[in-house]
Amino acid sequence: GENVEQHPSTLSVQEGDSAVIKCTYSDSASNYFPWYKQELGKRPQLIIDIRSNVGEKKDQRIAVTLNKTAKHFSLHITETQPEDSAVYFCAASISGGSQGNLIFGKGTKLSVKP
Amino acid sequence: GAGVSQSPSNKVTEKGKDVELRCDPISGHTALYWYRQSLGQGLEFLIYFQGNSAPDKSGLPSDRFSAERTGGSVSTLTIQRTQQEDSAVYLCASSLSSLDTQYFGPGTRLTVL
Repeated sequence: GENVEQHPSTLSVQEGDSAVIKCTYSDSASNYFPWYKQELGKRPQLIIDIRSNVGEKKDQRIAVTLNKTAKHFSLHITETQPEDSAVYFCAASISGGSQGNLIFGKGTKLSVKP
Repeated sequence: GAGVSQSPSNKVTEKGKDVELRCDPISGHTALYWYRQSLGQGLEFLIYFQGNSAPDKSGLPSDRFSAERTGGSVSTLTIQRTQQEDSAVYLCASSLSSLDTQYFGPGTRLTVL
């Protein structure tokens, strides 16, 4: 089955710096890769996603890149702000398959220091 | 519109008791998922419903876990004879179909004493 590895497990940056979180996946059939942000005690919220037919997607300060050959994808946050502090989860799934269930990485705790 | 809701928000139970957790998906969402999140861990997939059917139950950790969905809407996750290792946050998510974005509920924090 699919396995998703996520690095680093913790990341501390100064406000205004960039943050990069990387994930690898094992199942080449996976074609949908969302990123969720989870603040303490709250539900995971989708922040950006990418499908396997594109290599990069941007939404304001957030971007995701996908390398299907290497089976890895990354989240890039530019001009970080203290409110970006949270746990970020990457996930992979075979969208449109029999289930579409998400396989998650173990999360990255991002701390943005003012 | 209303998002995914779950009840109760917190549940404390004694080892050996049965518990029922409820999920109300977004109206019109045909796909419903249960995940479990242990302290400081990622989300572990448990079961998926398309309509009222659960094609694959292999994610359930043991036969003490079961789930059902009625009327293509509300789902309940039942844990029988709870054990301390069942303590976790149980999250429900729904999506328009298995092709679409999953939206999560606030979760039920289960503590087994």
